[in-house]
Amino acid sequence: QQQVKQSPQSLIVQKGGISIINCAYENTAFDYFPWYQQFPGKGPALLIAIRPDVSEKKEGRFTISFNKSAKQFSLHIMDSQPGDSATYFCAARGRGTASKLTFGTGTRLQVTL
Amino acid sequence: GAVVSQHPSWVICKSGTSVKIECRSLDFQATTMFWYRQFPKQSLMLMATSNEGSKATYEQGVEKDKFLINHASLTLSTLTVTSAHPEDSSFYICSARGQGRWTEAFFGQGTRLTVV
Repeated sequence: QQQVKQSPQSLIVQKGGISIINCAYENTAFDYFPWYQQFPGKGPALLIAIRPDVSEKKEGRFTISFNKSAKQFSLHIMDSQPGDSATYFCAARGRGTASKLTFGTGTRLQVTL
Repeated sequence: GAVVSQHPSWVICKSGTSVKIECRSLDFQATTMFWYRQFPKQSLMLMATSNEGSKATYEQGVEKDKFLINHASLTLSTLTVTSAHPEDSSFYICSARGQGRWTEAFFGQGTRLTVV
């Protein structure tokens, strides 16, 4: 029940295209859903996050869509750029300051010219 | 975002020695710190959670005597890999979070440990 399932495992998108990564969760106690971007040899960096009372959040080229009833959320990267090539992790967290993040398995995105 | 500094970025040590990794929150008080291990092309695996002034809570399967975690202050946590062996070689990442339900967790840049 603690799992967060992420797909696809890898993704190749042309420059200017839309990258879409999907995640699904089971635990209804999760109430915070962040996305992280990780470059090789670096720690993850928070990209964008959403709370379950909102169905969509947009920050620049990055949008999270959240479907509470389906227990799914997705990351859309508009106008994908070669610099977006990285590994993306979705995550989910329950309430409480010490609540831990449960990570998805990651998606390796490659944006080609 | 807030800054979490992890040191060293990489370390090579001999088998049987101990290695200490530091994680500092530079501009906020980290009431909770998390330590992760990441194998190549895999997700982050939580090793332990520590709250300032308390003993760390280890995830199932993580040897607490091998991976010593200390969170002595609101800005510093350390992970010591004791009697390191080649199988301990990995990428270790810390994360720090302040108080409050909606506070973000910020990650350090990671430490690449190679045990030879």
